[in-house]
Amino acid sequence: AQKVTQAQTEISVVEKEDVTLDCVYETRDTTYYLFWYKQPPSGELVFLIRRNSFDEQNEISGRYSRNFQKSTSSFNFTITASQVVDSAVYFCALSEGLGAAGNKLTFGGGTRVLVKP
Amino acid sequence: GAVVSQHPSWVICKSGTSVKIECRSLDFQATTMFWYRQFPKQSLMLMATSNEGSKATYEQGVEKDKFLINHASLTLSTLTVTSAHPEDSSFYICSAPRTGSSYEQYFGPGTRLTVT
Repeated sequence: AQKVTQAQTEISVVEKEDVTLDCVYETRDTTYYLFWYKQPPSGELVFLIRRNSFDEQNEISGRYSRNFQKSTSSFNFTITASQVVDSAVYFCALSEGLGAAGNKLTFGGGTRVLVKP
Repeated sequence: GAVVSQHPSWVICKSGTSVKIECRSLDFQATTMFWYRQFPKQSLMLMATSNEGSKATYEQGVEKDKFLINHASLTLSTLTVTSAHPEDSSFYICSAPRTGSSYEQYFGPGTRLTVT
């Protein structure tokens, strides 16, 4: 069965610091997708970044970057130069199988990020 | 871009009554939709998979007779919480995958249910 673990429950930083969120996943499938979502106080999930199990490169999208390490089953996420508006709960999620990007998701427990001015 | 809507965005009901939550895909068809539940300060947990034209698939521990799911059309799934109790108070979120080359998945804004 799939499982996603976010060991950090809460992180507090000062604005402009970088923030790295850890995510470790378990799956028996060879085809899967990993996602990071942001959930602000309004509750609506905001898609941030994703990666499938067969990509080779770690991407950077604006201030967001991902670090996928298949050998350690980790999918870490970094916010560069954090801003107060980045304060939210961040979820790592996993979906498996063919068409995995559109399959049901298993979420990690979430990491609350607080960015102080 | 693709949008998924939910209605209502929040609802307060009395214990013992039933509440219906709608999830709509606005500009694409979705043969499958997912329903998640999120208790305060917790993560999202999948409740069930809604399938157009067939019965919903419920996750272990979710009472199918209490949480009725109907995938009425290719753009609408409804979740009815029957005989609601205070412990059913939660944030309910639906999602719909958009089939195609990338199988993108889109989340609704969520429905906050409070049972008094």
